[in-house]
Amino acid sequence: DQQVKQNSPSLSVQEGRISILNCDYTNSMFDYFLWYKKYPAEGPTFLISISSIKDKNEDGRFTVFLNKSAKHLSLHIVPSQPGDSAVYFCAASISESSNTGKLIFGQGTTLQVKP
Amino acid sequence: DAGVTQSPTHLIKTRGQQVTLRCSPISGHKSVSWYQQVLGQGPQFIFQYYEKEERGRGNFPDRFSARQFPNYSSELNVNALLLGDSALYLCASSSRTGKLYGYTFGSGTRLTVV
Repeated sequence: DQQVKQNSPSLSVQEGRISILNCDYTNSMFDYFLWYKKYPAEGPTFLISISSIKDKNEDGRFTVFLNKSAKHLSLHIVPSQPGDSAVYFCAASISESSNTGKLIFGQGTTLQVKP
Repeated sequence: DAGVTQSPTHLIKTRGQQVTLRCSPISGHKSVSWYQQVLGQGPQFIFQYYEKEERGRGNFPDRFSARQFPNYSSELNVNALLLGDSALYLCASSSRTGKLYGYTFGSGTRLTVV
């Protein structure tokens, strides 16, 4: 039962353009969402998060949008840089499990930014 | 400051053996979580420990166990290894429990079961 899905295994964009990574979820109890970036041979690195009471959160070149009715969130990277090339994971959690540290991850999307 | 450190970085074990993976959290962090990442999938939650007590457990068999020591370091033990246990095992630490206090991941231990 995949509660968090990233349906695009890979994405390729040109440097300077926008990268849009998508994530869908099925559990309406999720109320906090996070994006992580992972380079080979390293652990995931936290990028940006959003609470379900918001529909947008921005941090520099990174913006996360949340559409609760569609159970969909997206990560926008503008402008994309070659150093952004990595695997991006969407993750979700439920308030009730906030003391358990349990994050539910998607399968990941590999982003390639071409110079 | 040192980040989350995990040892060993790579490990090869034979089916049926037992393995112990180690994690040292960031100094001052009292919460440690363990995740399993199978190739091509996202990390899957195994355990969380806070102040040496188990706070959460994922959907893993009893062959998986963990503990946290007084210095907040942690060990993950897996008994009777199966080929399907081959994965990257990630440890994450945070200063408190809860999703709002972001987790910092280590680089992981790559376990190969042959």
